[in-house]
Amino acid sequence: EVQLVESGGGLVQPGGSLRLSCAASGFTFSSYWMNWVRQAPGKGLEWVANIKQDGSEQHYVDSVEGRFTISRDNAKHSLYLQMNSLRAEDTAIYYCVRDEAPRYFYGGSAYYSSAFDIWGQGTVVTVSS
Amino acid sequence: IQMTQSPSSLSASVGDRVTITCRASQGIRNDLVWYQQKPGKAPKVLIYGASNLQSGVPSRFSGSASGTDFTLTIRSLQPEDFATYYCLQDYDYPLTFGGGTKVEIK
Repeated sequence: EVQLVESGGGLVQPGGSLRLSCAASGFTFSSYWMNWVRQAPGKGLEWVANIKQDGSEQHYVDSVEGRFTISRDNAKHSLYLQMNSLRAEDTAIYYCVRDEAPRYFYGGSAYYSSAFDIWGQGTVVTVSS
Repeated sequence: IQMTQSPSSLSASVGDRVTITCRASQGIRNDLVWYQQKPGKAPKVLIYGASNLQSGVPSRFSGSASGTDFTLTIRSLQPEDFATYYCLQDYDYPLTFGGGTKVEIK
């Protein structure tokens, strides 16, 4: 079964750190871009970060740049999110997400889409004193 | 890139045709994905590349594009379609979601 299972969430004080982990199974982990997406209580979705298959490229939303670091260990089929200098506004459910990257055609050229096809169950991060 | 999604909520009946729109603040080709999220669940991808139906998604869902405006249409609303819908632009970083549209039962 294709599955993503997050862990590492919890309650942390402002300014503190947490490391989220995501264990992948049922597919060739090293073949996919991987992402973290979060959702604050009662709010919409926010893309946080992603990482290329071999870990050589990462991208972040502006609000976490310099504070969060995404990484992966393909040998362990695992994705990580190191979160430092946490703020109250980082409180959210954090989802580990696979990017299926299906190809589509536009104007005679082929492009890859960020179709997030597999999601974990989420891990809750609460930043509060 | 800002994604302005409308309406933020709507009430509809089973069998209705429903249209949800996302407007991008600049051109994004067709780099637009639609997701459905039910309460307490992770989102599910419906449409990618603005108009390509994800495998396993019912054909009553369709997507279209006109310039920077993107539309998700549900042809005949079913009970299981009551949910919140989000668009996502993946043209440029940071990837950005629309604010969401909650589809409720009338």
